[in-house]
Amino acid sequence: QLVLTQSPSASASLGASVKLTCTLSSGHSSYAIAWHQQQPEKGPRYLMKLNSDGSHSKGDGIPDRFSGSSSGAERYLTISSLQSEDEADYYCQTWGTGIQRVFGGGTKLTVL
Amino acid sequence: QVQLVESGGGVVQPGGSLRLSCAASGFTFSSYGMHWVRQAPGKGLEWVAFIRYDGSNKYYADSVKGRFTISRDNSKNTLYLQMNSLRAEDTAVYYCAKDIGEYYGSGSLIDYWGQGTLVTVSS
Repeated sequence: QLVLTQSPSASASLGASVKLTCTLSSGHSSYAIAWHQQQPEKGPRYLMKLNSDGSHSKGDGIPDRFSGSSSGAERYLTISSLQSEDEADYYCQTWGTGIQRVFGGGTKLTVL
Repeated sequence: QVQLVESGGGVVQPGGSLRLSCAASGFTFSSYGMHWVRQAPGKGLEWVAFIRYDGSNKYYADSVKGRFTISRDNSKNTLYLQMNSLRAEDTAVYYCAKDIGEYYGSGSLIDYWGQGTLVTVSS
């Protein structure tokens, strides 16, 4: 069964960069994922689709500060030049007709 | 631009029913599968159900299977979620979401979200 694992929290300073990780469970390293951002008291927002080879396609209006990369079973979201509005929960998402846990547990990003 | 607007949330007693709607615009609704995703207070996102672009395939989370029914009316650009036998643990904000793949029969990732509608199951 495919499971996505995310660290519960991360923090970085204003203007710095941060790299968030989503790990696919064993045997599923070829899966693409999506990254979603949820700012406080708002609905989620699609950031990008990220393939196993690291290629990614971003959603409408997503700044260049957001980028994705992959290594094996790891999928990364890098946010550079951190701004206060980047403080949010970040979820990775996968898909398959038999997959129940489609979303990772989310990472709460704090901008210091 | 893509817009997804949910409605129909509210307070319902345990064992009761509720039907959510999602009005879609800004894209060819009949070409895309659609999802329902929920978020309990203070918790993460939980996928609930998916329906194929033509309504012929539907998938459900085990937690709602047999109680919830996803459907769509492509002539009205509207997605529905019929929720029966509601339980306290169904209390959540329910989001309508668009699938990324045009004519993907079995679904894929999500690329647009609605703003959500709150369902509270309480006596």
